[in-house]
Amino acid sequence: SQKIEQNSEALNIQEGKTATLTCNYTNYSPAYLQWYRQDPGRGPVFLLLIRENEKEKRKERLKVTFDTTLKQSLFHITASQPADSATYLCALDGDTDKLIFGTGTRLQVFP
Amino acid sequence: SAVISQKPSRDICQRGTSLTIQCQVDSQVTMMFWYRQQPGQSLTLIATANQGSEATYESGFVIDKFPISRPNLTFSTLTVSNMSPEDSSIYLCSVEQDAATDTQYFGPGTRLTVL
Repeated sequence: SQKIEQNSEALNIQEGKTATLTCNYTNYSPAYLQWYRQDPGRGPVFLLLIRENEKEKRKERLKVTFDTTLKQSLFHITASQPADSATYLCALDGDTDKLIFGTGTRLQVFP
Repeated sequence: SAVISQKPSRDICQRGTSLTIQCQVDSQVTMMFWYRQQPGQSLTLIATANQGSEATYESGFVIDKFPISRPNLTFSTLTVSNMSPEDSSIYLCSVEQDAATDTQYFGPGTRLTVL
């Protein structure tokens, strides 16, 4: 079965540094991969989508890479701020055209 | 962008009772989705609700336990029936942001605790 793995341990970094979150998947070749942000008590908010034929996608301080050989996506936040503290979820299109979500990685940015 | 609201935002219920969660969208949408997010777990799709037809349930979820209504293009309800503590979770509704890529807008969620 398809499986998405995100680091369940929280990532703690200092303000101004680059945060890098990892999403690995197995048993599937998705056409695209998505990243969402979820704050406590809120629903996930879509951030970025990257397609299988794209190596990298950027949006302001966010950068996503997609390595279909490694079956991995990296999500970077440059010049991180305390306001970036949240849980970040990756999701991919499953073989039934439904989104499959990872468990998310909690990011904590300290001033 | 779609704005989605859910009621209630949270509830504490007794075992054996049922709770109906409402989801309202500020625009007409074809499909609405219901997810469950258990503590420390990923979002799991419960069912897809299309207006005018029966909801389509994912493996492991059945209509008797999670009946869904979709009376119009802006509203849906999910009922959690005969609840047990294992049903304690966050329940989220969503709509498609982009049908070609399945990106979604999510509601704020309903936090359910079953005692």
